[in-house]
Amino acid sequence: EAGVAQSPRYKIIEKRQSVAFWCNPISGHATLYWYQQILGQGPKLLIQFQNNGVVDDSQLPKDRFSAERLKGVDSTLKIQPAKLEDSAVYLCASSSSSGGNIQYFGAGTRLSVL
Amino acid sequence: DAKTTQPTSMDCAEGRAANLPCNHSTISGNEYVYWYRQIHSQGPQYIIHGLKNNETNEMASLIITEDRKSSTLILPHATLRDTAVYYCIVRQPGAQKLVFGQGTRLTINP
Repeated sequence: EAGVAQSPRYKIIEKRQSVAFWCNPISGHATLYWYQQILGQGPKLLIQFQNNGVVDDSQLPKDRFSAERLKGVDSTLKIQPAKLEDSAVYLCASSSSSGGNIQYFGAGTRLSVL
Repeated sequence: DAKTTQPTSMDCAEGRAANLPCNHSTISGNEYVYWYRQIHSQGPQYIIHGLKNNETNEMASLIITEDRKSSTLILPHATLRDTAVYYCIVRQPGAQKLVFGQGTRLTINP
């Protein structure tokens, strides 16, 4: 079974530029999550989708971050404009209700904002 | 979700059992204890979870005290590949999001 795929693995941009990350969850997983992990900290949930609807985006900085999952499968997370403090690893995870809601994570995208 | 407390770091010799403690003194009766680990440059990986009974799978064992205020993750024969940050998370049934703390950085030494 293929795992959660994320791209790119690394991205370097300058502040005020925009950037987008892509995630393809495990086939059949209805729930998709985006987490932000700052160096030395545990991951923090940014947004959770159930199929193509948003379940929880309370921690998403909506003035600069946006995410979509238009067809209920893959998802994109965008930052526009980026700030220095957005430097982090962005992790995507997916889960299915039949699997005990165990979350499976991708390898993440490491973003450096200069 | 209940807060958890874990040691910042631990060391263990290769081949020995690694015992990782977690304190969750404010856990509610219906909250589960989950363990994930994160190897360097990878995403977190699910290890095991339990409610009140001890659990064992191919990766580890989970021992939950009778009062459920603490638990221990046991890696029975640690290898160098078990070097990682281990997260103990308390989660309500039906709740989907994971709230990660700082975790324990476990180093397995040859």
